Amino acid sequence: NAGVTQTPKFRILKIGQSMTLQCTQDMNHNYMYWYRQDPGMGLKLIYYSVGAGITDKGEVPNGYNVSRSTTEDFPLRLELAAPSQTSVYFCASSPGPDTQYFGPGTRLTVL
Amino acid sequence: QKEVEQNSGPLSVPEGAIASLNCTYSDRGSQSFFWYRQYSGKSPELIMFIYSNGDKEDGRFTAQLNKASQYVSLLIRDSQPSDSATYLCAVRSGTSYGKLTFGQGTILTVHP
Repeated sequence: NAGVTQTPKFRILKIGQSMTLQCTQDMNHNYMYWYRQDPGMGLKLIYYSVGAGITDKGEVPNGYNVSRSTTEDFPLRLELAAPSQTSVYFCASSPGPDTQYFGPGTRLTVL
Repeated sequence: QKEVEQNSGPLSVPEGAIASLNCTYSDRGSQSFFWYRQYSGKSPELIMFIYSNGDKEDGRFTAQLNKASQYVSLLIRDSQPSDSATYLCAVRSGTSYGKLTFGQGTILTVHP
């Protein structure tokens, strides 16, 4: 099992550009999450999903969108990138409401 | 707003000592409590979780929970230089469908 995989590992965007961060898990987990982590800070939840077709906002959803068409995939879309979205983005999955497993992260810089 | 507070440190302990990491939370409805370890430039990995008041031991790690005081801690016995990392406390409330609230993390340095 690969666990939770994320692509790309690194990305530099210009202000106003858009991109999709990919997240895939092969553990058949129902729950999936997107977090961002700013330097020296904990993780803040952006969006989460409790199953295919079901998504909901977390603590910091503004500027982001998600979809969950399959159990395996949970892409995060950034529209009109802003410098405030410079961060490390982690995707995670869990079989239930606890015990989350994290992907390796995507380091995004918006200039 | 639900909050989870940790002392950001850094906490420095000598090799072989006990490291004590602390976390307080504001939501009395919290049900599940987690400790994650995060090495620099890496993703968080789960060390322990605890649901009930008291202590839970796993190898060199002990999690302690006191719901009345809204306090959870992590003890690392016989600390090793490889334990040097940021330790993140996370809390889930009873109605949050898996949403975790993380503290800002405590940096632990174990020096030889």
